[in-house]
Amino acid sequence: DVKVTQSSRYLVKRTGEKVFLECVQDMDHENMFWYRQDPGLGLRLIYFSYDVKMKEKGDIPEGYSVSREKKERFSLILESASTNQTSMYLCASLSNPGQGADYYGYTFGSGTRLTVV
Amino acid sequence: AQSVTQLDSHVSVSEGTPVLLRCNYSSSYSPSLFWYVQHPNKGLQLLLKYTSAATLVKGINGFEAEFKKSETSFHLTKPSAHMSDAAEYFCVVSPMFSGGYNKLIFGAGTRLAVHP
Repeated sequence: DVKVTQSSRYLVKRTGEKVFLECVQDMDHENMFWYRQDPGLGLRLIYFSYDVKMKEKGDIPEGYSVSREKKERFSLILESASTNQTSMYLCASLSNPGQGADYYGYTFGSGTRLTVV
Repeated sequence: AQSVTQLDSHVSVSEGTPVLLRCNYSSSYSPSLFWYVQHPNKGLQLLLKYTSAATLVKGINGFEAEFKKSETSFHLTKPSAHMSDAAEYFCVVSPMFSGGYNKLIFGAGTRLAVHP
């Protein structure tokens, strides 16, 4: 089974701090994603990456950046954390084309609940 | 534009009774459709997916969903609820672009409560 691991389950940071959220997948997937989840809003896409060093903005990229130096690792960076970034953050990876229709799909990590105080 | 509407934010059923979670979608392309479940403090787990094969899709844990193009719906059902089904459920659409990346668009979620 594909495994997507987020390094922290809970984080508490202060306003203005630089915050790194790490995500690692073990299936050589090309596409990786960062979402935030808020009650009543579902999941919203922040950034995604389709290859090493490649990134694209999602629907709500403001206040965030990302880094993908190695294929298995996709980092979300909050340059200067603010209280409105308190949320659950979910990382996901997508199986590569050709891995089979039965296998096609996204695998999500367990999430990092970030509180900015 | 693509969007997903989950018609109920909360659904409450008794154990052993049927479950119906409603989802309507809007997509300019032939979409793939998914249902994900999220148990408390857990990640998202895929329940089932529709990718233009059979319109009635069976998933894990006795859930199934029917793709109805004329109604742009993809409702999730289960004949008999179990206490362990209590969770939040997300309907998701992914427009089928040829080649390249398929974006996921999430509904706002439906929280299912199951009472003894």
